[in-house]
Amino acid sequence: QSALTQPASVSGSPGQSITISCTGTSSDVGGYNFVSWYQQHPGKAPKVMIYEVSNRPSGVSDRFSGSKSGNTASLTISGLQAEDEADYYCSSHTSSSTYVVFGGGTRLTVL
Amino acid sequence: EVQLLESGGGLVQPGGSLRLSCAASGFTFSNYGMSWVRQAPGKGLEWVSSISGSGGKIQYADSVKGRFTISRDNSKNTLYLQMNSLRAADTAVYYCAKAVHHILTGFLSNFDYWGQGTLVTVSS
Repeated sequence: QSALTQPASVSGSPGQSITISCTGTSSDVGGYNFVSWYQQHPGKAPKVMIYEVSNRPSGVSDRFSGSKSGNTASLTISGLQAEDEADYYCSSHTSSSTYVVFGGGTRLTVL
Repeated sequence: EVQLLESGGGLVQPGGSLRLSCAASGFTFSNYGMSWVRQAPGKGLEWVSSISGSGGKIQYADSVKGRFTISRDNSKNTLYLQMNSLRAADTAVYYCAKAVHHILTGFLSNFDYWGQGTLVTVSS
């Protein structure tokens, strides 16, 4: 069982917006602004899409945005495109002895 | 261009050992912490171990503590993971990842670069 809880799957049609949630506790997501989101296409390495809750690395489309409220962080993808179909993982700094915790991952299907 | 290239994976029997390597290029290796993250077949990401740029701070996940050893050779720009007493549950693709830490708090901000991964299969 992963430390952070994500929905197993979400789906949306091209052009629509979707949001993926990532729920933790006050010891991780809720206590720190060090939530990041990774995109992983099948057979490929993960790629950071959002870091420190809402920051986008250079080169990442502004269709990707992040936010946080309490113990839940969210990744929103607007204007869905076929290339967005992938697995998405959240991660967070934690006050426990663990260096970092990951969510279980969410499979995004673009219909 | 940052590149991380893992090697050393393969098939090993339960109880056996394996050493993974990650050759880094395109950045000042000694300035950055590095981590190993694994992904079992069809499963999610699991952090395994991390090491600071100098090698002075090391952390392990409970699931590998006492069996795995992370190290680095900054003169060779290479990260290692020595894996002993391997179990079937260790079967996974192992990724090395470059860590970015927040300059004020020192907390992990994100993994900004990942290698392509190397598959470790533990089976008799």
